[in-house]
Amino acid sequence: AQSVTQLDSHVSVSEGTPVLLRCNYSSSYSPSLFWYVQHPNKGLQLLLKYTSAATLVKGINGFEAEFKKSETSFHLTKPSAHMSDAAEYFCVVSGEGDSSYKLIFGSGTRLLVRP
Amino acid sequence: NAGVTQTPKFRVLKTGQSMTLLCAQDMNHEYMYWYRQDPGMGLRLIHYSVGEGTTAKGEVPDGYNVSRLKKQNFLLGLESAAPSQTSVYFCASSYWDREEHFGDGTRLSIL
Repeated sequence: AQSVTQLDSHVSVSEGTPVLLRCNYSSSYSPSLFWYVQHPNKGLQLLLKYTSAATLVKGINGFEAEFKKSETSFHLTKPSAHMSDAAEYFCVVSGEGDSSYKLIFGSGTRLLVRP
Repeated sequence: NAGVTQTPKFRVLKTGQSMTLLCAQDMNHEYMYWYRQDPGMGLRLIHYSVGEGTTAKGEVPDGYNVSRLKKQNFLLGLESAAPSQTSVYFCASSYWDREEHFGDGTRLSIL
C-alpha cells in the first residue's frame, strides 16, 4: 500500500534563508507526486507536481522539488524564505490499482518564518 | 471564475441532527472528492465521485452519505451527527490528472 511520510511536523527558518521540507513515499510503481500548501483558514493550493517527465520540478512562488527514486524521496526546497511562505505544506502521492482515483496525503509540515 | 465553492462555511450542530454540505465547481471536472481534516492527521478521503451519478467510498465513509446528481455538484450528508464528526471538511475536484482544486472548507462542530 502506498504511504507518505513527512519527516518534520514543524520547520522554523529565518526570512531570507533556505527552506527544506522533507518527504518520503512508498509505492510499488512510479507514482505522481504533489506538494500542496495550505494557508490559515484556506483550502489547499497546488505548488507543484511530478509525473516522470523531469526529476527536478519547479513550482509556484519559487519552490521546487526533486524526485529521487533510489531514496523514495520528494523533498521541497526554496532558496530564500519569505514571510508569506508561513503555512502548512502537504506531500501527496497518487493512488494505484483500485485506489487510482485517490490521493494519499502526508500529515503535513508547518513552516514558521521568523523575521 | 469561482473554482470550488463550499456552503456553509461554518455550522454548529447538536448530536443526532442531520445536515448537508454542498460543493459546487465550475471547471467542468469529472472527479469530485470530500475530505475531512483533523489535527495531525492530514486529509482523509470520505467519499469520491468519478462522474455524474457515480459515488464511491473512501478511507473513512462511515456516518456519511453523498450524492452527485449533477456534474457540478457533490453533496455530503450527515444523517445523525456525532461529536467524532467535528472537523473541517474540504471538497475538491479534478480532471483525470488528479490536480485537485480545493474549496475553502466547512468548519463543523457537533456538540
